[in-house]
Amino acid sequence: DSGVTQTPKHLITATGQRVTLRCSPRSGDLSVYWYQQSLDQGLQFLIQYYNGEERAKGNILERFSAQQFPDLHSELNLSSLELGDSALYFCASSVEGGQTNYGYTFGSGTRLTVV
Amino acid sequence: GESVGLHLPTLSVQEGDNSIINCAYSNSASDYFIWYKQESGKGPQFIIDIRSNMDKRQGQRVTVLLNKTVKHLSLQIAATQPGDSAVYFCAEKRTGNQFYFGTGTSLTVIP
Repeated sequence: DSGVTQTPKHLITATGQRVTLRCSPRSGDLSVYWYQQSLDQGLQFLIQYYNGEERAKGNILERFSAQQFPDLHSELNLSSLELGDSALYFCASSVEGGQTNYGYTFGSGTRLTVV
Repeated sequence: GESVGLHLPTLSVQEGDNSIINCAYSNSASDYFIWYKQESGKGPQFIIDIRSNMDKRQGQRVTVLLNKTVKHLSLQIAATQPGDSAVYFCAEKRTGNQFYFGTGTSLTVIP
């Protein structure tokens, strides 16, 4: 157990729908990062939050959004889902939000299947 | 454009042999690199890291080599074991403090 908790583990939904993925960071970590991993693809950085505020954006679609709550858990909202959104979505956390001198701790991921 | 990539998508080795997984990066400003291991159904796990002021770093059965001249990173696993079978990613910390990952190399250890 890495200490980063993601729910649900699996999610199957239809095109056009909206889903919410949840992440609880490791205790003491202030930053949360969201990554998308498609089949045969590397980990694509989506977005980072630090202590409740958006810190950086990567290749995140406009249909996707995220937030980090006062208790530091984070949610990734995916809307108007398309078949191509089927992927593993990972959350990672770290202590720092600025000069990140250490690696991230990853959760086990949420597998999203859009049918 | 800038990229973090891996030379080989798959690698098969005999149990007990040494494994070498390579990674090329193109951002010369990157100052920190990490190797991650991802087993089936799990999230990536930290293996070893190296900063740009170093050429080599050793861990338990793993060694990371950094060649800044040619922007190349490698992960060496000694006496590879079946439990080492996984996908290995290199990750590069660029400006802005986000990590960018390569597509991964799938290592299969043959008993």
